[in-house]
Amino acid sequence: DQQVKQNSPSLSVQEGRISILNCDYTNSMFDYFLWYKKYPAEGPTFLISISSIKDKNEDGRFTVFLNKSAKHLSLHIVPSQPGDSAVYFCAASGDYKLSFGAGTTVTVRA
Amino acid sequence: DGGITQSPKYLFRKEGQNVTLSCEQNLNHDAMYWYRQDPGQGLRLIYYSQIVNDFQKGDIAEGYSVSREKKESFPLTVTSAQKNPTAFYLCASSTPRAGVSIGELFFGEGSRLTVL
Repeated sequence: DQQVKQNSPSLSVQEGRISILNCDYTNSMFDYFLWYKKYPAEGPTFLISISSIKDKNEDGRFTVFLNKSAKHLSLHIVPSQPGDSAVYFCAASGDYKLSFGAGTTVTVRA
Repeated sequence: DGGITQSPKYLFRKEGQNVTLSCEQNLNHDAMYWYRQDPGQGLRLIYYSQIVNDFQKGDIAEGYSVSREKKESFPLTVTSAQKNPTAFYLCASSTPRAGVSIGELFFGEGSRLTVL
């Protein structure tokens, strides 16, 4: 049973606009949440994270929001750039392992 | 440069053969992981090891085996018992992060296994 879900398999956004990626989880014991970016045939690279005791973390163009009561987190990318076109994975930390969502493919249009 | 090295990058195997994927890290991390990626399914955990000479099954361990004889090495064997082994395999390592059970994972470049 998948504990981390990304219900949007793809997202298309115009360059310069905001990209919003969503993620839901079911396990209330998760204590740390991460976003990874992945290009084809490469390993994922870490993007940004947030502890379960916070509701927002910002790093340059990337902001992650956590709503613990709704078991929901989101990643905002502003402004979107062509190099942001990739697959984005949401991950949740618990019991000494990371559980990943299925990923969202982001395409940034010129 | 510190990092995780996976080899080979591409591997072809005939049905019924075992194959071993190599994973080496020089980050001095205690924990190492093997994930499998299939289209539309994200990353699924095969095995993980928090310390030398100890490892645990992940969510999809059937048909796979691992060993952890050295801190820097965590090889994965895909056995003939694995029913659908064609996939992209990712090795990762991590270091403890204060206050959480596991922090950031650092990934290798991956190995693509194709069964002919």
